[in-house]
Amino acid sequence: KAGVTQTPRYLIKTRGQQVTLSCSPISGHRSVSWYQQTPGQGLQFLFEYFSETQRNKGNFPGRFSGRQFSNSRSEMNVSTLELGDSALYLCASTPQWQGEYGYTFGSGTRLTVV
Amino acid sequence: KNQVEQSPQSLIILEGKNCTLQCNYTVSPFSNLRWYKQDTGRGPVSLTIMTFSENTKSNGRYTATLDADTKQSSLHITASQLSDSASYICVVIPSGNTPLVFGKGTRLSVIA
Repeated sequence: KAGVTQTPRYLIKTRGQQVTLSCSPISGHRSVSWYQQTPGQGLQFLFEYFSETQRNKGNFPGRFSGRQFSNSRSEMNVSTLELGDSALYLCASTPQWQGEYGYTFGSGTRLTVV
Repeated sequence: KNQVEQSPQSLIILEGKNCTLQCNYTVSPFSNLRWYKQDTGRGPVSLTIMTFSENTKSNGRYTATLDADTKQSSLHITASQLSDSASYICVVIPSGNTPLVFGKGTRLSVIA
């Protein structure tokens, strides 16, 4: 059974550009959530999608957005990149809403903004 | 405010020794509490999961405990191995429509 797949694994962008990250959940999982991880702040919640609807959103600026497709795959977009956006971006999937069945994380996308 | 505090921030132990990591939380009510292991540059991997009614859960050399009265959890690692070197993150999953609450993790280094 394939795990959570995130692409690309590494990305280098210039300040001001935009970036799109992709997450393919475990087959059958309908909920996908996104997290930003930095050394100083640890893991911080960005947003969670279930059945193509955003169910929860963290305290990030509007430059961070996401969406989920009918096959449960999800994308995250960051516009007007800033140096502080450099981080490991993780997504996690779970079978149903609320995560009672556990979250499985992908290996992440390492974004470096220069 | 829902918070999870972990201690110590970092820890260095000799191979073969035991260690205990601490997690204090203010999340209430919560659905379950999990400990994750995260290797550098990788995603977190679940080690244990406990509901509020469980006191202890083991996974090989990893044993997690939960005291819902004091809102404390601990992760005990027995007979540590070099491969145990990683960050250990305590995560509390609240009940209701609220996202996961993460601790900042304990960085464990096991040395020969």
